[in-house]
Amino acid sequence: GIQVEQSPPDLILQEGANSTLRCNFSDSVNNLQWFHQNPWGQLINLFYIPSGTKQNGRLSATTVATERYSLLYISSSQTTDSGVYFCAVASTSGTYKYIFGTGTRLKVLA
Amino acid sequence: DGGITQSPKYLFRKEGQNVTLSCEQNLNHDAMYWYRQDPGQGLRLIYYSQIVNDFQKGDIAEGYSVSREKKESFPLTVTSAQKNPTAFYLCASSIQVRSSYNEQFFGPGTRLTVL
Repeated sequence: GIQVEQSPPDLILQEGANSTLRCNFSDSVNNLQWFHQNPWGQLINLFYIPSGTKQNGRLSATTVATERYSLLYISSSQTTDSGVYFCAVASTSGTYKYIFGTGTRLKVLA
Repeated sequence: DGGITQSPKYLFRKEGQNVTLSCEQNLNHDAMYWYRQDPGQGLRLIYYSQIVNDFQKGDIAEGYSVSREKKESFPLTVTSAQKNPTAFYLCASSIQVRSSYNEQFFGPGTRLTVL
């Protein structure tokens, strides 16, 4: 089945810094999402982005489907950005089920 | 308010007992999913349902059972056959499973602890 790798696994930033999170996947996908899991466990939808570029405030994402990767950019980070960021993909071959990466754990220091 | 609700938020179970986790959605979505998350790990799919009265096993279905009698509801039973049930359980829904557009939305989760 499709493999999903996220990097870096852990990231510590000072407030105000920028960061880039990466998601690599091993097969063609027709669905890709980025989530933020807050300290209470809630998964918050950030982007649905199987291809192209989207922006939402300080966050933006780019998926290059032909090269099998997606990037999540966080600018001017805030302490509330802390948590775990997950990438999830669904392959065009197979059962269309989502496979999750193991996440990037972000801590933003005041 | 449209969304997904899960109950209870916390659940404690003695070994050998079955427990049922509730998941309800009012988004009018056809597809619903159950995931399991262990500490420091990503989510793994337990079961999913594309339509009422139909469901399929995911990657880790052993020791779990589900039903889908209503479009809005997809309860998960953790049976005594599940060898390591302590985990965080998340329910999700989407418009359809087999679709070029399949954005999933998640409930707040249930933390199950086996004593």
